[in-house]
Parts: sequence; structure tokens; C-alpha cells
Amino acid sequence: DIQMTQSPSTLSASVGDRVTITCRASQSISSWLAWYQQKPGKAPKLLIYKASSLESGVPSRFSGSGSGTEFTLTISSLQPDDFATYYCQQYNSYRWTFGQGTKVEIK
Amino acid sequence: EVQLVESGGGLVKPGGSLRLSCAASGFTFSSYSMNWVRQAPGKGLEWVSSISSSSSYIYYADSVKGRFTISRDNAKNSLYLQMNSLRAEDTAVYYCAGAFGVAPLGFDYWGQGTLVTVSS
Repeated sequence: DIQMTQSPSTLSASVGDRVTITCRASQSISSWLAWYQQKPGKAPKLLIYKASSLESGVPSRFSGSGSGTEFTLTISSLQPDDFATYYCQQYNSYRWTFGQGTKVEIK
Repeated sequence: EVQLVESGGGLVKPGGSLRLSCAASGFTFSSYSMNWVRQAPGKGLEWVSSISSSSSYIYYADSVKGRFTISRDNAKNSLYLQMNSLRAEDTAVYYCAGAFGVAPLGFDYWGQGTLVTVSS
């Protein structure tokens, strides 16, 4: 099975900071990668699909890039509403796997 | 408004069974593949099972294969998860999630989750 490794596990940042989260796959997954945001007690929310496509309604400060085994989620200017946990998710051979999550905390 | 509402969670003893349901509204349910994703307390997300829009294709995570069965009823806009031989490690919030189309573009819609606790 493909393993997804996110880094860092926790990130402390301030409002207005540029934030980058990395997700690495144990083998190539082409561009079949999605990013989600989850707030405590809530369901995840899809932000990015196919590595770099912005889901409808998601602010343009969120962007995704990468292909193969290395992917990044970037928040260009962190807003108060963005403090949450972020997960990457890959699809390969009819299975989905999530990364372990990155918690973005207030510095 | 899109809604996915899970039900059927609760406390069950190890070795017991539980059936989860997910009622969908506000979108064309029969056009979406559906999934179950779980999250153990304080932990990350784990994909459990997927079913295609017409039920032709069904897949399971290794951790639940042979114990859980996913099904759907497009006439009732409903998704189900039959869980047998439950273990303590199955304790989690279970979310149903919908994905449009055939290409794996992520899960667009999510329910609020239902808590399953496996404990004696």
C-alpha cells in the first residue's frame, strides 16, 4: 500500500504568514492527490483536487502543486479562519490513503 | 442544500455488529460514488470503503475487509455500512462522503459523522 507522509506535523504561524505543507507518497501517484481542511468537531472540507485544482468556493490564497511523489499545499497569507488541521489524500489502485495531518496553530 | 446525515452509531461490545446509514439530499445521489471514512478519537482520517454510483465496484481497506459490508440504495438516496465482528480499534467517528464522477478527484460532500464505540 502507498504511504503518505506529511510534514511538518505541527506548524506555528501568525496571521499573514505564508505557510507551506508537504506531502510525500511512497510511490508515484501521478496527480491523484487532494487536500482537506478539518476544524475540531467538524467534517473535513475539500480544498484542492488533482494536486493543483482549487475546489469551487475555496479562497484563492490556497494553492496546491506537485506530481509523482512530492506535493505541497500553500496558504499565501494565513487568515484567522485557516487555523485547522490539514490532510493530504491519495488515490491509487482503488484505494484512498490519508496523510497523518498537519495542525496549523497560532504562533 | 447538500446534506449527508449519518445515523446508527452507538456503544457495542467487542464481537458485536452495527449498521450505519447515511441519508443524502440536495444532490443527485445516483451520480456519486460514496465512501465511508473514519477517525479514531484524537487521530487522523482513515478511508474505510468505497462503492461506485451503480454499486458495480466496491472496495475496502484491509483493516475492515471481511468484516464490513458497504451498500447503497439509490431509490432511497441512502448509503449503508454493515459492521460485524467489531473490535476496540474500530472505535471512531464514521463519516460518509460523496465523490462526483468516475475520476478520483476527492470527496466533495461529507456528513457530520456518527460515533461508534466498541467497548465491553
